[in-house]
Parts: sequence; structure tokens; C-alpha cells
Amino acid sequence: DAGVIQSPRHEVTEMGQEVTLRCKPISGHNSLFWYRQTMMRGLELLIYFNNNVPIDDSGMPEDRFSAKMPNASFSTLKIQPSEPRDSAVYFCASSPPTRRAKNIQYFGAGTRLSVL
Amino acid sequence: QKEVEQDPGPLSVPEGAIVSLNCTYSNSAFQYFMWYRQYSRKGPELLMYTYSSGNKEDGRFTAQVDKSSKYISLFIRDSQPSDSATYLCAMRVRGNEKLTFGTGTRLTIIP
Repeated sequence: DAGVIQSPRHEVTEMGQEVTLRCKPISGHNSLFWYRQTMMRGLELLIYFNNNVPIDDSGMPEDRFSAKMPNASFSTLKIQPSEPRDSAVYFCASSPPTRRAKNIQYFGAGTRLSVL
Repeated sequence: QKEVEQDPGPLSVPEGAIVSLNCTYSNSAFQYFMWYRQYSRKGPELLMYTYSSGNKEDGRFTAQVDKSSKYISLFIRDSQPSDSATYLCAMRVRGNEKLTFGTGTRLTIIP
């Protein structure tokens, strides 16, 4: 399997622009997670889905952030409007449906976002 | 106060040394404890996980959990330059898929 696929790998945009990050989870995995990583705050969970349904979005910073999972093989994280403080590496991860495997999240390579 | 505290380092040790990495936590409901390794410009990958207190060994790596002290450790024996990475501890509550991560410790093994 190709693993979790994220696009784009790098995104540079100007403040106020809309940014859309994309994620394709590993086939057969039923949970999908969006994280943000910064030097100051480390790796923070933004939102996670189970069977395409959002379960916990308490980490989403504010209304400028939204996430969707229209089907089992695709998810998006959108920031509108973007601000310089959104600059970070955004990771997508997925995990399989077995109970024991819930400790194992498979991460994509991340999207490095710079908002100027 | 963060739920999970981890010394960010950086930590530099000579090749062959024993490395000790640690995390403390405040949420007594955490029951699953994980260590992830993250190479530069890559996503984290799971090294090992443990359930509740005790030790677990996997090759050169040993994970230790002390729930009474809310303290977990990862030991690396015979450290290699390829072990140079950031190590993140993570924890979760039983029945909840959410992982809470430490900020990570950046480790460098000097040849």
C-alpha cells in the first residue's frame, strides 16, 4: 500500500487566501485524523473522523477551519481566510478498524503551510 | 498546564550509549502509552505501545510505564546514528481514539 497520501507537500499563500489540504487514507482504515505541528505547541489533534463521521472537533482552532470527509478515501481540511499564525505542518493519519490497532496511527508526510 | 509534558531537548549522546527519554502526564484516565519516532521532514511512526504499568521490550528499545507516578520512559540500548530523530510520547484513554502527544524530544546520536 502507498500509505497515507497528502497533498500538496508545500503550500505558500498570502494572508486572507483560502487554503485546502487533502488527504487519502490507507485503504480499509476507518478512522482519519488531522493534526497540526508547530515548534511551540507540538503535535495537536484538530479533528478526527470515524466511518466518515466527525467524532471530535474540539481541537479545531476557530471557525476559519473546517474539515470534511465525503467518502472513505478522501478528506479535506480548509482554512478560510488564512492567517500567518496558521503556518505549521499539517499531518493526516489513519488507523484500521481493529480495537488493538487504535494505538497505531499511520501518518502521511505532511503539508508544510506558510502564510505570508 | 499541558496534559503531557516532555523535555524538548535537544539531547546528544555518543554512539553506543544508553538513551533515556521520559514523559509525565496528569490525566489518570490514560491507559495506553505509545512512543512515536519522527525523522526530519517526515510523519511520526509508531515504535511501540504498552497498556497500563510495566515494561515492554522490543529489540534495543524498552518502554516503561509507572502509573502511580504518572511517568513513562523509553530506553534505547546500543544507540546508533540512525536513531537520531524526534521521539514523541503519546497517550490515550480506553474507548477513545484521540491521542494526546508530548511535544517531542530531539535526539542526536554522535558517531
